Amino acid sequence: GAVVSQHPSWVICKSGTSVKIECRSLDFQATTMFWYRQFPKQSLMLMATSNEGSKATYEQGVEKDKFLINHASLTLSTLTVTSAHPEDSSFYICSAPAYNEQFFGPGTRLTVL
Amino acid sequence: AQSVAQPEDQVNVAEGNPLTVKCTYSVSGNPYLFWYVQYPNRGLQFLLKYITGDNLVKGSYGFEAEFNKSQTSFHLKKPSALVSDSALYFCAVRDHTGGFKTIFGAGTRLFVKA
Repeated sequence: GAVVSQHPSWVICKSGTSVKIECRSLDFQATTMFWYRQFPKQSLMLMATSNEGSKATYEQGVEKDKFLINHASLTLSTLTVTSAHPEDSSFYICSAPAYNEQFFGPGTRLTVL
Repeated sequence: AQSVAQPEDQVNVAEGNPLTVKCTYSVSGNPYLFWYVQYPNRGLQFLLKYITGDNLVKGSYGFEAEFNKSQTSFHLKKPSALVSDSALYFCAVRDHTGGFKTIFGAGTRLFVKA
C-alpha cells in the first residue's frame, strides 16, 4: 500500500512564531495532497488542496496568508502556520491520493502556548 | 454540494453484540462513499468504500457497510463487536468529478464495553 508520513508528529511553540509541518508520500508520487485540521472530538475540516508546481487551493474561510502551503516536489508538501496563536492549536492531517484511494498521514499535533 | 451526516455522536455496545454506525449522504450524481477509523492521536485508517456494484461492501477488521440508494444511507456494521473496535469512525464522500477532495461527516465515537 501507499504510505504517507508527517513530520513532526507533535510540536509546541510560542505564540507569534511560525511552524512548518511536512507531509511526504514515501513510496508513490502525489501531484495533489490535502491538508485537514481536526479540533478535539470533531471532524476533519478540509483546509486546502496542495498542487505540485502551482498554487494551493484554499477552502472558504481559510486564511491563505496564515496557512502557507508549498508543494515543492511530487513527494513533499509543507504547511507553515505563520505567526501562530493559541487558537491555531489543533491536529493537522495530510492525505494524498494513490491507487484510486486516499492515504492519510499520522497527523501532527500543534500546541501554541 | 456534497455532504454526509452521522446522526449519532456516540454509540455504545457490549462486546459480542452487533454494532451499527449510521451515515446518510447527499450528493449529486453517483456517490463515492467511504468509512475510516481513527484511534487517539492517530491518522485515519481506511475501512471500506463503495464505488459501484454490490450494495453490501466488506472491509477491514470484519466491518461491512450497506449502500442504500433509496434511503441515501451507508451504515457501517459488524456482526460481533470487540473492545478493540472502540474508536472514532468517520463516514466520507468523495468528489467524483475528477478530483479526490473528500468531505467527512462529524464522526461517531464507538464504545465497546467488555
